[in-house]
Amino acid sequence: RKEVEQDPGPFNVPEGATVAFNCTYSNSASQSFFWYRQDCRKEPKLLMSVYSSGNEDGRFTAQLNRASQYISLLIRDSKLSDSATYLCVVNRSGGYNKLIFGAGTRLAVHP
Amino acid sequence: SAVISQKPSRDICQRGTSLTIQCQVDSQVTMMFWYRQQPGQSLTLIATANQGSEATYESGFVIDKFPISRPNLTFSTLTVSNMSPEDSSIYLCSVALTGTDTQYFGPGTRLTVL
Repeated sequence: RKEVEQDPGPFNVPEGATVAFNCTYSNSASQSFFWYRQDCRKEPKLLMSVYSSGNEDGRFTAQLNRASQYISLLIRDSKLSDSATYLCVVNRSGGYNKLIFGAGTRLAVHP
Repeated sequence: SAVISQKPSRDICQRGTSLTIQCQVDSQVTMMFWYRQQPGQSLTLIATANQGSEATYESGFVIDKFPISRPNLTFSTLTVSNMSPEDSSIYLCSVALTGTDTQYFGPGTRLTVL
């Protein structure tokens, strides 16, 4: 079983749609959680950190459920420019700064 | 965040040769890392580049194949040694700013081995 698992995608949605991505992680001691966005042939860019209380940044909302070891990302009012691969990322615990990446979920927003 | 540059941005190399990739960051950072992203895959950590000491390698990666240097807090190199076509990949460096565990990535080096 992979340490971080994501919806495989691809998600093909029209502009304006709301789309949700899910991610589960296996290491219950994991401390930090992130969503990164990666455009084709580009490096990953931090989209947002994920906090236990949940956090929102404009059209993007991230949630963390530690009991279920589950992370989600909600994108509202999708734009064409949201088309990318979204990577769920978990930082292993114990003061060892190691990021574990999910395989990514591809999103394609069409007109 | 930090501004990170990598050189070269891409290269095509012959089997059996070696390539050294440079990573430069615009501020002093505590942690620097090297990742590999194989075609169609997600990122895998190769090693943590430690300033003034040997790098810490992840399982499946060894110093003889991927020697790493970090002479100061803003610069690191990764060498891909004795390359084979299986080493064709994107190699990315990342940094974590002091006191945080958020990582920022360089633009990557796209390596093709013939």
